Amino acid sequence: GQQLNQSPQSMFIQEGEDVSMNCTSSSIFNTWLWYKQDPGEGPVLLIALYKAGELTSNGRLTAQFGITRKDSFLNISASIPSDVGIYFCAGGKGAQKLVFGQGTRLTINP
Amino acid sequence: GAVVSQHPSWVICKSGTSVKIECRSLDFQATTMFWYRQFPKQSLMLMATSNEGSKATYEQGVEKDKFLINHASLTLSTLTVTSAHPEDSSFYICSASPGGTDTQYFGPGTRLTVL
Repeated sequence: GQQLNQSPQSMFIQEGEDVSMNCTSSSIFNTWLWYKQDPGEGPVLLIALYKAGELTSNGRLTAQFGITRKDSFLNISASIPSDVGIYFCAGGKGAQKLVFGQGTRLTINP
Repeated sequence: GAVVSQHPSWVICKSGTSVKIECRSLDFQATTMFWYRQFPKQSLMLMATSNEGSKATYEQGVEKDKFLINHASLTLSTLTVTSAHPEDSSFYICSASPGGTDTQYFGPGTRLTVL
């Protein structure tokens, strides 16, 4: 099935560094969602975006819904060890089914 | 808010037996619930979409007679893996949507191991 192009696939950073990841698509979405998944757990919703151009923050996390409605990015500032995990973007088109990115695996070096 | 639970969190069964997994939305009514399967180091694969009181809609390639889904109420959906085989071993995750938006809230997942 359709998948969003999420990059990078993996990141290895030092604690305290900022992180940036993005998702792109060839088609338009009405909703962009960002989730974090820890090993052996279900995804947890981080940020939901519903309007083109919308910029939303949740603590150290900031995400934006691209103006073209075909992309979104997620930034994490001042990373900490508990930020380790896999981040997924997901797009919705109003039919409730979501299209997921392949995930970005974040590793933080001590 | 928006908490979804799954039970059991893990299950080990013998080949040929059936396994039922429950998904509950604890603090909201879910007009739609979804069932996903996830293989190691891969993204989520949608198996089926279920609306309360109606038959589930299965994704292409998912056997509806093998993966029985019942959405009996606005807070409960069940997935039954019938005549399970080792290739059915996987991580199964449900999600629930309160309606009005595409936002889905996920359960913690169920690890199924078929011996």
